[in-house]
Amino acid sequence: EPEVTQTPSHQVTQMGQEVILRCVPISNHLYFYWYRQILGQKVEFLVSFYNNEISEKSEIFDDQFSVERPDGSNFTLKIRSTKLEDSAMYFCASRLITDTQYFGPGTRLTVL
Amino acid sequence: KQEVTQIPAALSVPEGENLVLNCSFTDSAIYNLQWFRQDPGKGLTSLLLIQSSQREQTSGRLNASLDKSSGRSTLYIAASQPGDSATYLCAVKYGGATNKLIFGTGTLLAVQP
Repeated sequence: EPEVTQTPSHQVTQMGQEVILRCVPISNHLYFYWYRQILGQKVEFLVSFYNNEISEKSEIFDDQFSVERPDGSNFTLKIRSTKLEDSAMYFCASRLITDTQYFGPGTRLTVL
Repeated sequence: KQEVTQIPAALSVPEGENLVLNCSFTDSAIYNLQWFRQDPGKGLTSLLLIQSSQREQTSGRLNASLDKSSGRSTLYIAASQPGDSATYLCAVKYGGATNKLIFGTGTLLAVQP
C-alpha cells in the first residue's frame, strides 16, 4: 500500500542553524501538508500546499518557515534559523481528492 | 475558537472488553471528522473518516459515530486486544476554504492481556 515517507527520522541541530525536512507524499496526491507535535501537546497544523503554492498557513508558520515542491515527488519544509521551541515531531501528510489525509512517520527535530 | 477535546485522557481496560472513546468539538459546522491511531514515537494512522452528512462509519471492530448537533463523536472498539494499545486522536475539518485538521489531545489506551 502506498505511504508517505519522511527523512530523516531524527534531526539534531544547533540553535540558529537551518534545517530542511523532507517528505515524499503518496504518488498522484494533490494536496500536501505539514503539521507538528511538540512533546506532550496536540498535533498542530502548519501549512497546506496545492497547485505549487501555499493554500493556507497557521500563525506558527512565520517568515522562518518555507515549503517547496522542488520536483514531482518531494515536498520540503525549511526552517531558516531554528529556535529551541522548534523542537517537535514534524509530520507530512497528503491527500488526493477524497478528504482522508495520510500521514508520514514524522521527523523528530531536536534543537540544542 | 474552534477546539477539539477528548475524554478520557487515558484508559486502561482488560482484553476483550468493548470500549468507547469520546471526542467533542465546540463548533458544530464541521465538514468531516477523522479518527487516527498513534503508536509511541510514530506517525498517525488513519482509522476512519466520517463526513458531516453521515451518522456513523464502520471498519472491522471499529465504529465511529457523529452527532453534529451535540458536537460529539465516539469511537467504539469491540473486543479490544493488546495490539489496540495506542493513542487515539480525533481531528476535525471545518467547512469553507480551510484545509487544516484541528486535533484533539488524544486518549491513551492500554489494553491489558
